[in-house]
Amino acid sequence: AQTVTQSQPEMSVQEAETVTLSCTYDTSESDYYLFWYKQPPSRQMILVIRQEAYKQQNATENRFSVNFQKAAKSFSLKISDSQLGDAAMYFCAYRTVYNTDKLIFGTGTRLQVFP
Amino acid sequence: EAQVTQNPRYLITVTGKKLTVTCSQNMNHEYMSWYRQDPGLGLRQIYYSMNVEVTDKGDVPEGYKVSRKEKRNFPLILESPSPNQTSLYFCASSPRWPKETQYFGPGTRLLVL
Repeated sequence: AQTVTQSQPEMSVQEAETVTLSCTYDTSESDYYLFWYKQPPSRQMILVIRQEAYKQQNATENRFSVNFQKAAKSFSLKISDSQLGDAAMYFCAYRTVYNTDKLIFGTGTRLQVFP
Repeated sequence: EAQVTQNPRYLITVTGKKLTVTCSQNMNHEYMSWYRQDPGLGLRQIYYSMNVEVTDKGDVPEGYKVSRKEKRNFPLILESPSPNQTSLYFCASSPRWPKETQYFGPGTRLLVL
């Protein structure tokens, strides 16, 4: 069975600085999807970025980028030029390409942003 | 506006009193899921449905029921709620293809006394 591990329960960053959130996963599959979701205090789940495992190029969305290391099964999220609005819980998630509808989540990293 | 809606958003109930949390999506998605979120555990899938009349258990199905009689609706039923079902519940939907994205509802916070 697949698992997702986020080893940093909490992280903090100063406004305008860069922070990296870690995520590792375990799977025997060769093709899959990986995601980072943001959960602000409103509790809404917001998709930040996604990565297809067959793509070697790291995904980027504005200030958010990932470092996808398939062999190491690592999928870290880098937030550049951090803003106060980035403060939230961040979840890493895995999804198989096979015919099932399941996201496997990590336990989350709470990010604090200081002015 | 494309969205997943859940009702109610907040619910306080007592042990053993049957309740239903509704979920509806307007995107004609085939796949729908229910998750529960608990501190320190992340989100865990309760049940999912790949199409009308097709449902299957997720990782934590005990104490829950679902049905999918229409494509847009996927209610979660707690026939005899217990305090350990106090949690934050999310409904999600996704298309069959491309299947890389799930759309989440706003969440339902349930307290069982």
